Amino acid sequence: GDSVTQMEGPVTLSEEAFLTINCTYTATGYPSLFWYVQYPGEGLQLLLKATKADDKGSNKGFEATYRKETTSFHLEKGSVQVSDSAVYFCALIGDDKIIFGKGTRLHILP
Amino acid sequence: ETGVTQTPRHLVMGMTNKKSLKCEQHLGHNAMYWYKQSAKKPLELMFVYNFKEQTENNSVPSRFSPECPNSSHLFLHLHTLQPEDSALYLCASSQSSGFTDTQYFGPGTRLTVL
Repeated sequence: GDSVTQMEGPVTLSEEAFLTINCTYTATGYPSLFWYVQYPGEGLQLLLKATKADDKGSNKGFEATYRKETTSFHLEKGSVQVSDSAVYFCALIGDDKIIFGKGTRLHILP
Repeated sequence: ETGVTQTPRHLVMGMTNKKSLKCEQHLGHNAMYWYKQSAKKPLELMFVYNFKEQTENNSVPSRFSPECPNSSHLFLHLHTLQPEDSALYLCASSQSSGFTDTQYFGPGTRLTVL
């Protein structure tokens, strides 16, 4: 069946470092891909999405490109801030169901 | 109030108790969802309601009983739970079901079963 695999955390970086959180997927058909963020004590918020191959989603300095050839949707940010500390979830929607990865906890040190 | 609210935020209950979780959305959406978030596991979709009708039940044990009296309110009734049911329960809503619309999540209810 469809699945999402994202890198294990926690990921700890210093402020202004470059961030990559890997996400790969397996799916039949052509899923839509998403990144959600969960700040401490809050629910999930949609961060960005891409609905077809080669689409790039972007928001708040974060970017991810839908790569069909590598079945990946890696999240990147050029310069992280302390306020980016949160748990990040990769997800796919396909065949009328949504599947989440396990989440990656990100700690940014000042 | 805006967005999706959930009450209570924290709940501790014994295995013989009966309790209910409440979710309310103020976004005018037609679909509502219950998810279970356990440590080190992917978010699990439990139930989907669309226009008050249940459209999905992902093999959830009967000790969890959802209720959707209208498009704005969603409840999860709990009875005779097990310690492994301890988790964060998230409610979400979207304009329509089918997962193509963006889902908006509440802050969750942290449930501990003793």
